[in-house]
Amino acid sequence: GENVEQHPSTLSVQEGDSAVIKCTYSDSASNYFPWYKQELGKRPQLIIDIRSNVGEKKDQRIAVTLNKTAKHFSLHITETQPEDSAVYFCAASFGGRDDKIIFGKGTRLHILP
Amino acid sequence: DAGITQSPRHKVTETGTPVTLRCHQTENHRYMYWYRQDPGHGLRLIHYSYGVKDTDKGEVSDGYSVSRSKTEDFLLTLESATSSQTSVYFCASSALSVAGVRNEQFFGPGTRLTVL
Repeated sequence: GENVEQHPSTLSVQEGDSAVIKCTYSDSASNYFPWYKQELGKRPQLIIDIRSNVGEKKDQRIAVTLNKTAKHFSLHITETQPEDSAVYFCAASFGGRDDKIIFGKGTRLHILP
Repeated sequence: DAGITQSPRHKVTETGTPVTLRCHQTENHRYMYWYRQDPGHGLRLIHYSYGVKDTDKGEVSDGYSVSRSKTEDFLLTLESATSSQTSVYFCASSALSVAGVRNEQFFGPGTRLTVL
């Protein structure tokens, strides 16, 4: 069925270190993979996305990698800062269409001082 | 954030009563979504719409129905609310570009629904 697995569910890293969150998806037709950040009490917001014709994308301290063969993609945050503390969700499109988006269960990232 | 709103923001109701949540967007987005958010489950897709009167089921559609009679409004109805439907409900909208490069979903502020 349509499924996005996300790991870990909780991640604590020292400020300044890197954080990596990994996701796998079930549909080989998936071609769009966004990442959302949700701060406490707020709505989710897109931070980066990648399409299946690209293997890696970077935006300042955030990067996403995609391995279509293995059906997994990862979010990398370097030089973590206190404001990076939040819940991060990966997602994937399903059914060969961009409009059906299924989310993973989320990773709660804690940045330790 | 002002482009998508939800009403009501909070609601307490009793088991067995019908409930309708409203999502309104002013961005002329073609696509609209309803998700529920529960601890340990992340965001689960309930229903989505790819145009006026065009809707499809998501992961957890049982017990929910939707309607979209206008581009700007997407209604979620719980015909007979149950305690398992206590949750935070998020609406979202998006507009695919012509090239389909980005499909950013813009989320509403959420509705906290409690079913007693």
